[in-house]
Amino acid sequence: QVQLVQSGAEVKKPGSSVKVSCKASGGTFSSYTISWVRQAPGQGLEWMGRIIPILGIANYAQKFQGRVTITADKSTSTAYMELSSLRSEDTAVYYCVYSSGSMTHFDYWGQGTLVTVSS
Amino acid sequence: DIVMTQSPDSLAVSLGERATINCKSSQSVLYSSNNKNYLAWYQQKPGQPPKLLIYWASTRESGVPDRFSGSGSGTDFTLTISSLQAEDVAVYYCQQYYSTSLMYTFGQGTKLEIK
Repeated sequence: QVQLVQSGAEVKKPGSSVKVSCKASGGTFSSYTISWVRQAPGQGLEWMGRIIPILGIANYAQKFQGRVTITADKSTSTAYMELSSLRSEDTAVYYCVYSSGSMTHFDYWGQGTLVTVSS
Repeated sequence: DIVMTQSPDSLAVSLGERATINCKSSQSVLYSSNNKNYLAWYQQKPGQPPKLLIYWASTRESGVPDRFSGSGSGTDFTLTISSLQAEDVAVYYCQQYYSTSLMYTFGQGTKLEIK
């Protein structure tokens, strides 16, 4: 059973950056993918991007290209999502998500990290 | 980009009755190389992260009650709850994976309530 533990809530100013961490345990972390999915208050789910930790290769949704960076540290089984040039519309819960095997769906979800962007 | 459209946006069903949620993709998610549909369903209860229910359109995740079933192929899919229980009140999302571009897309969600 994979467990994903994310870093705590953040409050950020518009124009700044935020970096959220996600530590995995209980699975073969390096062989699978970690995605980041966000959910604005009262809204649906939005996939932002993913990384294959064993390769260190990431790909991103077009909407976030140039503003999001996803990295992974295999030695600590921790993934990171950094979002820059924050605006109020980025206020959301950010989830890290683990995809095993086929990588076509999301098997395990972190608890979520609330990022609030406010002046 | 592939667009996923769910219907209805909300649904009220009596306890013990059948609930049906539909999901339509703007492009086929059936991959001829392995004859699999890259379509999954999730359940999200208030204050919780989503939970995987169904993947590859019809494969039930371990531990998911068998009243949940998925069907469909290509562009049209259905999640069925055969006999609604009180604990099934949630928002349900479909999700596709497009292997050509390595992208994932969610439907907008369907809110399921008790009538």
